[in-house]
Amino acid sequence: SQQGEEDPQALSIQEGENATMNCSYKTSINNLQWYRQNSGRGLVHLILIRSNEREKHSGRLRVTLDTSKKSSSLLITASRAADTASYFCATGLISNFGNEKLTFGTGTRLTIIP
Amino acid sequence: NAGVTQTPKFQVLKTGQSMTLQCAQDMNHNSMYWYRQDPGMGLRLIYYSASEGTTDKGEVPNGYNVSRLNKREFSLRLESAAPSQTSVYFCASSERPEHLYNEQFFGPGTRLTVL
Repeated sequence: SQQGEEDPQALSIQEGENATMNCSYKTSINNLQWYRQNSGRGLVHLILIRSNEREKHSGRLRVTLDTSKKSSSLLITASRAADTASYFCATGLISNFGNEKLTFGTGTRLTIIP
Repeated sequence: NAGVTQTPKFQVLKTGQSMTLQCAQDMNHNSMYWYRQDPGMGLRLIYYSASEGTTDKGEVPNGYNVSRLNKREFSLRLESAAPSQTSVYFCASSERPEHLYNEQFFGPGTRLTVL
């Protein structure tokens, strides 16, 4: 079963605008990660936020985490054509064997219009 | 430093055929993972290996077997392929078997079609 659900499923914006995508999850987590996937390629890690953190920045990326609402958002500022990709949130949980497993959402397809 | 490599990139099988997907990483990571990605489903974990010599089932293990050959290599085997196994398969690795804060590094994927 999917732990994370991204919203919206697809988003198209003009180059230079900001893009916001959201992720909701169901159970307690240790951390939440965002990944990017360009068409036909593997996933690339973007940013990780721990369960005791509320906001984190990395370059043009800003991630927030609200554990009381079980939700996270990813903001990409000043979007570029190269940001066109699918974005996935992944929640990190400790398994019974002490190993962390990631559970991925279904993704948001972001298109930047030049 | 190639990261995570997967072979083959593409494969077409007939129902009932078997094949092995290969994965190798050169980052000295302890943990390795196999996922499948289907349209509208995100990535689902098939099997993982927390460390050399151990393997465990993920969310969708039926129809698959894995082998952690050594620290570098983690293979996924389909013994009798079925059309439902048509998917894109991704291998990933991460640094430590213990918990907390491990980003995963992904290979480029294998696109498998079962006719």
